[in-house]
Amino acid sequence: TQLLEQSPQFLSIQEGENLTVYCNSSSVFSSLQWYRQEPGEGPVLLVTVVTGGEVKKLKRLTFQFGDARKDSSLHITAAQTGDTGLYLCAGAKNQGGKLIFGQGTELSVKP
Amino acid sequence: NAGVTQTPKFQVLKTGQSMTLQCAQDMNHEYMSWYRQDPGMGLRLIHYSVGAGITDQGEVPNGYNVSRSTTEDFPLRLLSAAPSQTSVYFCASSFGGINYEQYFGPGTRLTVT
Repeated sequence: TQLLEQSPQFLSIQEGENLTVYCNSSSVFSSLQWYRQEPGEGPVLLVTVVTGGEVKKLKRLTFQFGDARKDSSLHITAAQTGDTGLYLCAGAKNQGGKLIFGQGTELSVKP
Repeated sequence: NAGVTQTPKFQVLKTGQSMTLQCAQDMNHEYMSWYRQDPGMGLRLIHYSVGAGITDQGEVPNGYNVSRSTTEDFPLRLLSAAPSQTSVYFCASSFGGINYEQYFGPGTRLTVT
């Protein structure tokens, strides 16, 4: 059972386009994190959102936590080829050290 | 400061063989975890530890053993390798808190024939 559903699973766009990736669940999380993974490497933390309704910006990336703390979105403005990679969301549930990961969104930005 | 290190980087095993994947961190993190990554399935938690001497099962623990004798090291043992254990394995550490933000190693790509 996948507690965190990411959509879309694959996304191929042209450089300069905007995109949004969604991370949805029926469960409430104490916090939600977004990671980016490049081929052959481990995931790297981008951001953590904690408060319902919270919005965080990281250059051209905007992250939002849903009001009910069950979902999150990642919006990229004017995508660049360097944004290509696997984006993973992960939720913490106050259960002593565990994170639950979504299945990932594979983004390809073409020049 | 090396962060999280994993060895080996690549490994090929025959069905039934055993091996240990090594993981070490130098950030003095209490929490450490092992994940496996398969196409389209994200990261699935195998085992985790909240401190030296304490381990617990994750989502997919069968066929794997762990121990945590020191804060720095968290080895993962495959008892009798099966083709279904072909995967990329990631070790991660975290200082804990309430968010368990993970620092990942570079991964071990394991093939079982």
